[in-house]
Amino acid sequence: DVKVTQSSRYLVKRTGEKVFLECVQDMDHENMFWYRQDPGLGLRLIYFSYDVKMKEKGDIPEGYSVSREKKERFSLILESASTNQTSMYLCASSFFSLNLAKNIQYFGAGTRLSVL
Amino acid sequence: AQSVTQLDSHVSVSEGTPVLLRCNYSSSYSPSLFWYVQHPNKGLQLLLKYTSAATLVKGINGFEAEFKKSETSFHLTKPSAHMSDAAEYFCVVSDMDTGRRALTFGSGTRLQVQP
Repeated sequence: DVKVTQSSRYLVKRTGEKVFLECVQDMDHENMFWYRQDPGLGLRLIYFSYDVKMKEKGDIPEGYSVSREKKERFSLILESASTNQTSMYLCASSFFSLNLAKNIQYFGAGTRLSVL
Repeated sequence: AQSVTQLDSHVSVSEGTPVLLRCNYSSSYSPSLFWYVQHPNKGLQLLLKYTSAATLVKGINGFEAEFKKSETSFHLTKPSAHMSDAAEYFCVVSDMDTGRRALTFGSGTRLQVQP
């Protein structure tokens, strides 16, 4: 079974702190993704990576950065946390395939971040 | 550009009655379509996917979805709801327009199952 592990289930931080969210996958997937999930908005893509040291902005990258130094690990960084970044953060991974039907993303359990 | 509209934010059914969760999509190309389910405090799990091989797609736990190109719809159904079906359901579209990014999520439908 594919396993995507997020390091924390719940996190409470203060405004202005630097926050690291970690994600590890064990299936040798090329692609990794960070989403945030807010009620009524579904999942919105923050950043994704299709290879080590490669990254691309998603729909809502402002206030976030990412790091992918190893294939299995993808980190989301909040440089200076703000209250509007309080949310559920979900990490996902997938193989790269030109066959769209194979673009199945596997998700971690999520990190619920509260910024006070 | 692709988009997904889930027509109901909340659906409530009684246990044993049919479930219908509605989804309409917009895509520039021939898309692949997915339904994901999220149980409380859990990650998202793939329920089923449409790959153009057959318009009626069967998924896990008795769910089905029918792809209707003329209506640009991909509604999710189940003949008889079970209490364990209570969760949030996301309709998802994937097409070449987004390349590696691949997935665009709907806003979700929360399914409530009454005893």
